[in-house]
Amino acid sequence: DADVTQTPRNRITKTGKRIMLECSQTKGHDRMYWYRQDPGLGLRLIYYSFDVKDINKGEISDGYSVSRQAQAKFSLSLESAIPNQTALYFCATSDPSGGKYNEQFFGPGTRLTVL
Amino acid sequence: KNEVEQSPQNLTAQEGEFITINCSYSVGISALHWLQQHPGGGIVSLFMLSSGKKKHGRLIATINIQEKHSSLHITASHPRDSAVYICAVNKEGAQKLVFGQGTRLTINP
Repeated sequence: DADVTQTPRNRITKTGKRIMLECSQTKGHDRMYWYRQDPGLGLRLIYYSFDVKDINKGEISDGYSVSRQAQAKFSLSLESAIPNQTALYFCATSDPSGGKYNEQFFGPGTRLTVL
Repeated sequence: KNEVEQSPQNLTAQEGEFITINCSYSVGISALHWLQQHPGGGIVSLFMLSSGKKKHGRLIATINIQEKHSSLHITASHPRDSAVYICAVNKEGAQKLVFGQGTRLTINP
């Protein structure tokens, strides 16, 4: 079974709808991240959480919110989806004991289309 | 200007060719990562390095800290190497990664 899972894998929705993307991990990592990927722009950080009580904005948090329900679960919400939020979304985890390398383990991605 | 720049953005080569993908960065780092994104979208870590050179099979990663530059080499390239290769850095004092825009590699048989 995959260590980092994301649901749904694909979603098509309409402008103005509320959408939740979910991420679960079995790696036991404290740190979790949400990224979006757009063609030609690379991965950009939306939100990150270093433990259940620690949530931080990334570089592109406007229009998004997150919830860290447990160490293993980190959800991303789009309160009112807009077409420019169409992208591939990735969840990732890392272990702080990894030191300077901060290796991150990625989920399979969620392809979101907002019409 | 992006803190992490990759070149080329797209690369097409014939099977068997030696491939080089470059990554330059403009910030102090504690480590640099090379990642591979498969056509299906999944991302896996290939290398993490902070100095020198690492080798895994046909893949070699090098880093020159003074020049703020890293290269990923693939020897005897194969169509299954076709993927997007992503460079990312750990900025000094930060526990977040900053990513390059990726290099799309296509190896034709």
